[in-house]
Amino acid sequence: AQTVTQSQPEMSVQEAETVTLSCTYDTSESDYYLFWYKQPPSRQMILVIRQEAYKQQNATENRFSVNFQKAAKSFSLKISDSQLGDAAMYFCAYRSADAGGTSYGKLTFGQGTILTVHP
Amino acid sequence: DTGVSQNPRHKITKRGQNVTFRCDPISEHNRLYWYRQTLGQGPEFLTYFQNEAQLEKSRLLSDRFSAERPKGSFSTLEIQRTEQGDSAMYLCASSPWWVPNQPQHFGDGTRLSIL
Repeated sequence: AQTVTQSQPEMSVQEAETVTLSCTYDTSESDYYLFWYKQPPSRQMILVIRQEAYKQQNATENRFSVNFQKAAKSFSLKISDSQLGDAAMYFCAYRSADAGGTSYGKLTFGQGTILTVHP
Repeated sequence: DTGVSQNPRHKITKRGQNVTFRCDPISEHNRLYWYRQTLGQGPEFLTYFQNEAQLEKSRLLSDRFSAERPKGSFSTLEIQRTEQGDSAMYLCASSPWWVPNQPQHFGDGTRLSIL
């Protein structure tokens, strides 16, 4: 079974600064997907960024980028130019690659990191 | 695309009562997932539907829990004889089948509080 670990329960950053959230995972699979989801207080979870394991290039979405180290099984999220609206709980999640198998695309989540943004 | 809808948003009930939650996925999304999230933790997978077929159930889904997805549209999650430990946020997510590895879209969740 796969596991996802987020070792930082809480992080804080000053507005306009950069912050990095850490995530490690454990799997015996070679093909999979990794995601970062954002969950603002009392609001729905939304996708921030995703990474396909077969791609060596790190994914980027505007101010959000990842550092994917497959051998180290590490998947960190960097938020540049932090904004007040970035404050939320961030979850790292793992998903087996679909290949007609029995994973059915379910997500395995880490424990989450609460990000506080100071003005 | 109106998003994943869950009702009710909040449910407060006494221990031992039965509760039912509803999830309306995004139209034409074949895959539907239920997750449970306790305070300060990440969501944990409960069960998965592909159209109307329930193809996977987690060990977390005790025999007091039952889920259905009649006609492959909306889904319901029922908890019988609720216990204190059932207090959590219950999240529903959906994704299309035909777009490989499309990320899941989540609803706002139903927060269950057991008195």
